[in-house]
Amino acid sequence: EPEVTQTPSHQVTQMGQEVILRCVPISNHLYFYWYRQILGQKVEFLVSFYNNEISEKSEIFDDQFSVERPDGSNFTLKIRSTKLEDSAMYFCASSEATSGSRDTQYFGPGTRLTVL
Amino acid sequence: AQTVTQSQPEMSVQEAETVTLSCTYDTSESDYYLFWYKQPPSRQMILVIRQEAYKQQNATENRFSVNFQKAAKSFSLKISDSQLGDAAMYFCAYRSGYSNSGYALNFGKGTSLLVTP
Repeated sequence: EPEVTQTPSHQVTQMGQEVILRCVPISNHLYFYWYRQILGQKVEFLVSFYNNEISEKSEIFDDQFSVERPDGSNFTLKIRSTKLEDSAMYFCASSEATSGSRDTQYFGPGTRLTVL
Repeated sequence: AQTVTQSQPEMSVQEAETVTLSCTYDTSESDYYLFWYKQPPSRQMILVIRQEAYKQQNATENRFSVNFQKAAKSFSLKISDSQLGDAAMYFCAYRSGYSNSGYALNFGKGTSLLVTP
């Protein structure tokens, strides 16, 4: 069964450093998402991406964040200058469509980001 | 903005028994979708079940079923014949059906389910 994959599974970085989190969505999916979950808290939406541009973003997704689909398979989240409060689990998700039965978002296993 | 409330931070059930996890939501929209996701200790988010608001029939997936009460804005998850592998955090999520509201999932805070032998 196709699945969303994410690398790395765990990333440790120093405050102020740039990190890139990578995701490979399910191959026939067109809509891509990033969510984050700070330990012990609920999952929060960051951004959605379609047709090579951001379609929606939350207040969390400020200028420190960017997303890119550098090729036909990868979808990346970049944090330009990490802060301690960026420590969280970051989930990538993808969906085939945004309506009907094909709108279900399938999640990857997550990348645990630790900022020291 | 829509809010999703899961009022039970923790629940416990014995193996083979039935448990119901509650979820309420607040919205003024008439077209939306509701989901239950399971997050085991590995922290991967796994879709359990999905419900379209326009469908009166409650969704079922094997041992998992929902009780969708649209007027009451309630969306509870029933797990029958509980198994040890059901132990996880369960998140209820809302998604608008209107494109101008976006397609982000709005999650509740989760219910931690413990399954005892």
